[in-house]
Amino acid sequence: QVTLKESGPVLVKPTETLTLTCTVSGFSLSNARMGVSWIRQPPGKALEWLAHIFSNDEKSYSTSLKSRLTISKDTSKSQVVLTMTNMDPVDTATYYCARIRIAVAGVYYFDYWGQGTLVTVSS
Amino acid sequence: SYVLTQPPSVSVAPGKTARITCGGNNIGSKSVHWYQQKPGQAPVLVIYYDSDRPSGIPERFSGSNSGNTATLTISRVEAGDEADYYCQVWDSSSDHPFGGGTKLTVL
Repeated sequence: QVTLKESGPVLVKPTETLTLTCTVSGFSLSNARMGVSWIRQPPGKALEWLAHIFSNDEKSYSTSLKSRLTISKDTSKSQVVLTMTNMDPVDTATYYCARIRIAVAGVYYFDYWGQGTLVTVSS
Repeated sequence: SYVLTQPPSVSVAPGKTARITCGGNNIGSKSVHWYQQKPGQAPVLVIYYDSDRPSGIPERFSGSNSGNTATLTISRVEAGDEADYYCQVWDSSSDHPFGGGTKLTVL
């Protein structure tokens, strides 16, 4: 059974750094046909992709947020970590991690999602 | 940047057919995936590779993709289908893989 679970603070202050952890089970982060993405959703708004990481440690970031994001993984712990610096109230959102399925090179979809964690940015 | 355009809302009566579109330049040449998100829940994959259904997704959900429009079709709509639906395409020219979402209302 594949599961992903996000963990981290529910409240951060402006200018602080957010660190979120995605703990996965039911698959290995070393699987070459899979990866993990972070996706967020501000209240009442659409999904926004943030970053992803693959088994070979290939990483990619949203262009608009690239300077603030870092994604990493610890395969032995089955964890993917996202850090976002200089948090702002506009970053208030539910943050999801999702498994990426790669069936064909360059064609990715998200077949399993975590339950999400609401992060509020406020002083 | 590759842009995906969805109608903000679609309404349908129970038992009827709902069609939710996703527009994009030559989207028919790409693989489109669809997600259902009910209030307070995480998205769920309902269609991948244009028209494939994951295990557990009812046959009432189907997809098609041609030209500049991909379509998610929900037949015999039920009250439980009321949700937001998002299309998704992975394109190397864009880091916005999701459409803006469509709210499906069951009348």
